[in-house]
Amino acid sequence: GENVEQHPSTLSVQEGDSAVIKCTYSDSASNYFPWYKQELGKGPQLIIDIRSNVGEKKDQRIAVTLNKTAKHFSLHITETQPEDSAVYFCATLSTSYGKLTFGQGTILTVHP
Amino acid sequence: DSGVTQTPKHLITATGQRVTLRCSPRSGDLSVYWYQQSLDQGLQFLIQYYNGEERAKGNILERFSAQQFPDLHSELNLSSLELGDSALYFCASSSSPGQTYEQYFGPGTRLTVT
Repeated sequence: GENVEQHPSTLSVQEGDSAVIKCTYSDSASNYFPWYKQELGKGPQLIIDIRSNVGEKKDQRIAVTLNKTAKHFSLHITETQPEDSAVYFCATLSTSYGKLTFGQGTILTVHP
Repeated sequence: DSGVTQTPKHLITATGQRVTLRCSPRSGDLSVYWYQQSLDQGLQFLIQYYNGEERAKGNILERFSAQQFPDLHSELNLSSLELGDSALYFCASSSSPGQTYEQYFGPGTRLTVT
C-alpha cells in the first residue's frame, strides 16, 4: 500500500521566518496531495492542495510544490505568525480509491 | 467550521462495551469517510460510504462496522471495546468521488475505553 513519509516531526521558528515541511510518497498512482492543519482539540482543516498536473500552487502565505518524478511534495509557509502553530499533515490520494494516506505530522511552533 | 458535525464530542466507556458514533456530512456531500487518530498509528482510514453504499475499506477491525443512511448521515459502531480502541475518531465528507477530491473533516469524537 501507499506509504507517506513526512519530515521534520517538529519544527520551531521565529515569527516572520519561513517554514518548510516535506513529504515523500511511494504510490506513483497518487494524483492528489492535500495539506491539513490540526489545532489542539480540533479536526484536520484543509489548508491547501495540489493535483498531479500542477507543479506549484500558492495561496497568500502558503504554497505547495510537487515533484512527481521524485515523488515528493512540500509545504512552504512564509512570514510565519504565532497562530500558524499547529500540527501539519500531508496526505496523498489515489483516485482509484477515496482514502487519504497521511504522513506522521509535523508539530510547528512559531515563537513571537 | 467545516460543516461536518459529529456526536458525541467525548465518550468514556468500559472494555467489552459497544458504542455508536454519529456523523452528518456537509450539505450536499454524498461521500462519508471514517478515520481513526491515535498517537502510535497516526491518522488511519477506516471506511468510506458513498450515497449509502460501502465504497472502500481500510484497516477497519471486524469488531467495527459502519453504515450510511438515506439522509446521508453515517454511524460508526464499535463493539467489544478494548483499551487500544481509545482514540480520536473523525468523519470527513466530500461531494462525489471522481468529481472532487477535497475531504472536509468534522471535529471528531474522543473515545476513552477504561
